[in-house]
Amino acid sequence: GAGVSQSPSNKVTEKGKDVELRCDPISGHTALYWYRQSLGQGLEFLIYFQGNSAPDKSGLPSDRFSAERTGGSVSTLTIQRTQQEDSAVYLCASSSSYNTGELFFGEGSRLTVL
Amino acid sequence: AQSVTQPDIHITVSEGASLELRCNYSYGATPYLFWYVQSPGQGLQLLLKYFSGDTLVQGIKGFEAEFKRSQSSFNLRKPSVHWSDAAEYFCAVGRSFGNEKLTFGTGTRLTIIP
Repeated sequence: GAGVSQSPSNKVTEKGKDVELRCDPISGHTALYWYRQSLGQGLEFLIYFQGNSAPDKSGLPSDRFSAERTGGSVSTLTIQRTQQEDSAVYLCASSSSYNTGELFFGEGSRLTVL
Repeated sequence: AQSVTQPDIHITVSEGASLELRCNYSYGATPYLFWYVQSPGQGLQLLLKYFSGDTLVQGIKGFEAEFKRSQSSFNLRKPSVHWSDAAEYFCAVGRSFGNEKLTFGTGTRLTIIP
């Protein structure tokens, strides 16, 4: 499809394991964002990629979280040594400089840490 | 730093009744303001946005919002709700074009009763 694609849609893991979440943005979109949605907490900004610029990592909650974007397209969010408080829905969004502010969101990856 | 407050966690309205969802923001300059909707099991979708000009903006699905600088508010309204409007609504504020690192509110869940 033409929208933002995220995988897996659901992930259950054990505390202490590493997980990788993937985001495939809309073709041609130069900006890519990761947000975390926890119950009652709204959307929390994690990281932002824009073209070839250094990513804005100011929202990453700890050094267990990292993300990369290869070839200016697909992005992977990695959480190392997962904790129960990492359980949330991780949302990816992309945008183009021509969209005047509109983020296009994927359906999210729901992470459950047991 | 910018922030967004949505004071109503949950609102219930009857089908056909009018709706107003409140949003207050904190930002030092002229903000870029957005309303997104998240229907069950779906990604967030942009309803409307305000950048400048006319303070009353029209969006999709019959929604509108009014920017009031004096009150730091950007409330969302609809004259007559439909059962399909049941969803979670998020207000967001951004700083500039080309960097849509939005700050979201905690959301308002809308329930529609027959």
